[in-house]
Amino acid sequence: GAGVSQSPSNKVTEKGKDVELRCDPISGHTALYWYRQSLGQGLEFLIYFQGNSAPDKSGLPSDRFSAERTGGSVSTLTIQRTQQEDSAVYLCASSLDVLGSNQPQHFGDGTRLSIL
Amino acid sequence: GNSVTQMEGPVTLSEEAFLTINCTYTATGYPSLFWYVQYPGEGLQLLLKATKADDKGSNKGFEATYRKETTSFHLEKGSVQVSDSAVYFCALFWGKLIFGQGTELSVKP
Repeated sequence: GAGVSQSPSNKVTEKGKDVELRCDPISGHTALYWYRQSLGQGLEFLIYFQGNSAPDKSGLPSDRFSAERTGGSVSTLTIQRTQQEDSAVYLCASSLDVLGSNQPQHFGDGTRLSIL
Repeated sequence: GNSVTQMEGPVTLSEEAFLTINCTYTATGYPSLFWYVQYPGEGLQLLLKATKADDKGSNKGFEATYRKETTSFHLEKGSVQVSDSAVYFCALFWGKLIFGQGTELSVKP
């Protein structure tokens, strides 16, 4: 597709369950980012991947959060034992090159996660 | 650490009014600066960017100038339209995007 694709668009789950969120970046983009948008915290960086380098996980809020990027393309963000404070919109973005900071990040429409 | 502060909203203007949304940043180096916009029900879109001091980014009638001396990147538009109603985010890039808290703009006919 032409843009960043995220699935599902909405996810409702019970507290304590695990969830997986998927991101398909723009073809050819080597950098992939996950952000979280919530009412109380605004837009927060979670993690980024650049090529085959070790990911920057500095934004992950707890060890319940993890992410993988397979084959340098698709990424999955996993949240284990979900808590109500995990409710937010999870955004994925990709760009051509993280070192070329003038390359803009292109965002997906996000996954709206609601924890009951 | 690096951070971005932007004026609180919501901002309500009449159509054709002049818009300014203030944004200041704190950074250890010289980051690239961005404005992103989120229209109702849509995802984040890049509005404009500037990569070094004194650069002016512009798009869709919006402008912002990278001011190193005041560490600012204020967003301006001379004449807003109802279709500009959205949430605007100022951001800096230093390995990752660091966003301001967002400013909601509502333009009334």
